[in-house]
Amino acid sequence: NAGVTQTPKFRVLKTGQSMTLLCAQDMNHEYMYWYRQDPGMGLRLIHYSVGEGTTAKGEVPDGYNVSRLKKQNFLLGLESAAPSQTSVYFCASSFSNYGYTFGSGTRLTVV
Amino acid sequence: DQQVKQNSPSLSVQEGRISILNCDYTNSMFDYFLWYKKYPAEGPTFLISISSIKDKNEDGRFTVFLNKSAKHLSLHIVPSQPGDSAVYFCAASEGGSGSARQLTFGSGTQLTVLP
Repeated sequence: NAGVTQTPKFRVLKTGQSMTLLCAQDMNHEYMYWYRQDPGMGLRLIHYSVGEGTTAKGEVPDGYNVSRLKKQNFLLGLESAAPSQTSVYFCASSFSNYGYTFGSGTRLTVV
Repeated sequence: DQQVKQNSPSLSVQEGRISILNCDYTNSMFDYFLWYKKYPAEGPTFLISISSIKDKNEDGRFTVFLNKSAKHLSLHIVPSQPGDSAVYFCAASEGGSGSARQLTFGSGTQLTVLP
């Protein structure tokens, strides 16, 4: 019973590099979300998806792109990483709109 | 402007005593509130929730109180245990059946329960 799995768990990028964070859920949830957590800021929504093939912007979408080609996967892309994107990224999924299940996070450092 | 605020970054409580974590919100459209607990190097896990039509919800040692007129909610943990030491996030959402409910989170409160 994996729940929500995020890969990788840690990554260091140089400014300008690109990368993709993968989120996979095995609970057949319709809704998936990407949040970032920064000190003193709580968790802020980057993008979300209400179903396969759909995506929408959250509170802080700039500099990120997402795709939901398969129901179980939600990918977060950074095309040209910036130091301001240094953060801990959490993926979550939900079925009923109320209860989120979170992954364990990806710690990204951009130098 | 933060719509959900947790003004206490940290709280220390003696084991066996009550822990009270507070949360204020500004958006009157919020109709569902949740508390999440987070241990280091793990994702947040759901703890307890409350709908805006209620003013109290209890689950074992955890009780959430909602004061809509004051736009304030609190989480009470009684009795507090060392294993409760974690960061607690308050979250809120507003309606929208058939669409994803986006949760707005507070900045979190680090609870330390001292043995």
